[in-house]
Amino acid sequence: AQSVTQLGSHVSVSEGALVLLRCNYSSSVPPYLFWYVQYPNQGLQLLLKYTSAATLVKGINDFEAEFKKSETSFHLTKPSAHMSDAAEYFCAVSMNTGFQKLVFGTGTRLLVSP
Amino acid sequence: NAGVMQNPRHLVRRRGQEARLRCSPMKGHSHVYWYRQLPEEGLKFMVYLQKENIIDESGMPKERFSAEFPKEGPSILRIQQVVRGDSAAYFCASSPPAASETQYFGPGTRLLVL
Repeated sequence: AQSVTQLGSHVSVSEGALVLLRCNYSSSVPPYLFWYVQYPNQGLQLLLKYTSAATLVKGINDFEAEFKKSETSFHLTKPSAHMSDAAEYFCAVSMNTGFQKLVFGTGTRLLVSP
Repeated sequence: NAGVMQNPRHLVRRRGQEARLRCSPMKGHSHVYWYRQLPEEGLKFMVYLQKENIIDESGMPKERFSAEFPKEGPSILRIQQVVRGDSAAYFCASSPPAASETQYFGPGTRLLVL
């Protein structure tokens, strides 16, 4: 069975500071990994995904994530936070097969202060 | 190209009533997924459908819940005899017919059961 653990339900940063959101996964087969962002009362928007190509994945809005198999991690980073980055972030995993049932973490709420 | 459409965006029902949630996938997408998000939690997979077929309903409650994706028209998630515990945000996602890693999410339907 697959699972995702997101450490820290809330992360607070100052505008301009580094953003680091942690995600660890468990999967019995090579996984696909995703980061989604959810703004209040909206659906989920894909930030980036890992599909067994390059281990460092670049996404939208200067976000990136690195797949580390030895650590079973897929942490999300951004060099400089903007106020507009304040949202809920979800890490998700699916099996590397045709059926893409996503298993989500519980989410991390990013707070950005001026 | 319009995104995934869901309606209604908000739905209020009294206990014992029926709730019908609609999802129109992106143009060209024939795979539909339903997820439920309880307050302060991540999304949980409910069901995966292709046109006229339920492929995986392992996340659906055994009673009162059903889903369909007819040849014509939107996918429908139906909840009979709603209870307060059904209050949640229900998200639909769609993906293309080829084995695709990316699911595109709709804005969700927020169901409130009084």
